[in-house]
Amino acid sequence: SQKIEQNSEALNIQEGKTATLTCNYTNYSPAYLQWYRQDPGRGPVFLLLIRENEKEKRKERLKVTFDTTLKQSLFHITASQPADSATYLCALASISGGYNKLIFGAGTRLAVHP
Amino acid sequence: DTGVSQDPRHKITKRGQNVTFRCDPISEHNRLYWYRQTLGQGPEFLTYFQNEAQLEKSRLLSDRFSAERPKGSFSTLEIQRTEQGDSAMYLCASSLDDFGNNQPQHFGDGTRLSIL
Repeated sequence: SQKIEQNSEALNIQEGKTATLTCNYTNYSPAYLQWYRQDPGRGPVFLLLIRENEKEKRKERLKVTFDTTLKQSLFHITASQPADSATYLCALASISGGYNKLIFGAGTRLAVHP
Repeated sequence: DTGVSQDPRHKITKRGQNVTFRCDPISEHNRLYWYRQTLGQGPEFLTYFQNEAQLEKSRLLSDRFSAERPKGSFSTLEIQRTEQGDSAMYLCASSLDDFGNNQPQHFGDGTRLSIL
């Protein structure tokens, strides 16, 4: 069956370090992968989108990689700050969903400590 | 840019009652999505509209659930004869139609439904 896995345990890091979050998937052939941030009681906020033919995407302190052979995406936040503390969700879009339907992982909670 | 707005933010009702939620998408977005999210899980797709046409419905959307987008602008999601298991956050999102390309979805802050 199709499955998206993100680290279920919270990731605790010190301010200034690089946070690395993992998204693994099975039985999918996603054409696109998106990362969202979600704060408690709020809706997800879009961060980055990467296509299957792209290896890496960057935006300011954020970097996403997409390895379709390993079926994995890594999401990095460099020079992390306490304000980066949130839950981070990965989401896949595949041709079977007409590229419209996003399938989300359960998210990884990141806590950045001063 | 006013963003996606949802109303109400919170709804508490007794089991068996009907509830209706409203979503106002970003004005130039012709795609609108509904998701459901329970504690500790990611959003689960329920349905989506392209303008006023409802193009896909998840198997999660039982016959007690109905969604409409009558004029291709705002949308409503109605749940009839609510059950305990319907307690969740209901999220609405909108996006542009980029002719088959994937676009970011812009989410509202959801309606939290609690069934007593």
